[in-house]
Amino acid sequence: GQQLNQSPQSMFIQEGEDVSMNCTSSSIFNTWLWYKQDPGEGPVLLIALYKAGELTSNGRLTAQFGITRKDSFLNISASIPSDVGIYFCAGQREGAQKLVFGQGTRLTINP
Amino acid sequence: NAGVTQTPKFRILKIGQSMTLQCTQDMNHNYMYWYRQDPGMGLKLIYYSVGAGITDKGEVPNGYNVSRSTTEDFPLRLELAAPSQTSVYFCASSLKWGVVAGGYTFGSGTRLTVV
Repeated sequence: GQQLNQSPQSMFIQEGEDVSMNCTSSSIFNTWLWYKQDPGEGPVLLIALYKAGELTSNGRLTAQFGITRKDSFLNISASIPSDVGIYFCAGQREGAQKLVFGQGTRLTINP
Repeated sequence: NAGVTQTPKFRILKIGQSMTLQCTQDMNHNYMYWYRQDPGMGLKLIYYSVGAGITDKGEVPNGYNVSRSTTEDFPLRLELAAPSQTSVYFCASSLKWGVVAGGYTFGSGTRLTVV
């Protein structure tokens, strides 16, 4: 099955920095979701996007549904230690039913 | 609400042993899924179910079996454990195909090591 191409695979940043990550596909998607996985836990939904061009925020997190419908972006502003974890994108391809997941971006923050 | 509950959290198996990973949800979701998570590889779908009595294979079903006798429970069975099955296993559920109501709800995972 196809997986999304998520980048970067890992990030090492200083506390207070902004973070950007993205997810791309060769197929058109109808829905994009962003999840966060804390160490030792399952993924938890952060933001859901349902329309091309949509920009949605959840606190310091902002995600966008790309205009081409083949990509999505997640930004975290002013990172704090509790932002550490693995961030996954997920999407529903046009004409498909099940979600497909990206490989994840592991975020590490130096205090 | 408890959401999705997985047991056990950790398990070490010897090659050739069998075990069942338990998953139960209390949200009355019809759709349930089993994923495995390998380092750097994201989530791969093993099996899924769209309702009681209905199951289907995902991307990586070999070496696993599932059953869905009730809406709440979706156990995953490993019959002959192999080192390649060392992974973290996540159960998830959703109201529909994961689009409506914001996607899947995940359990906290079972970390399995086969030695």
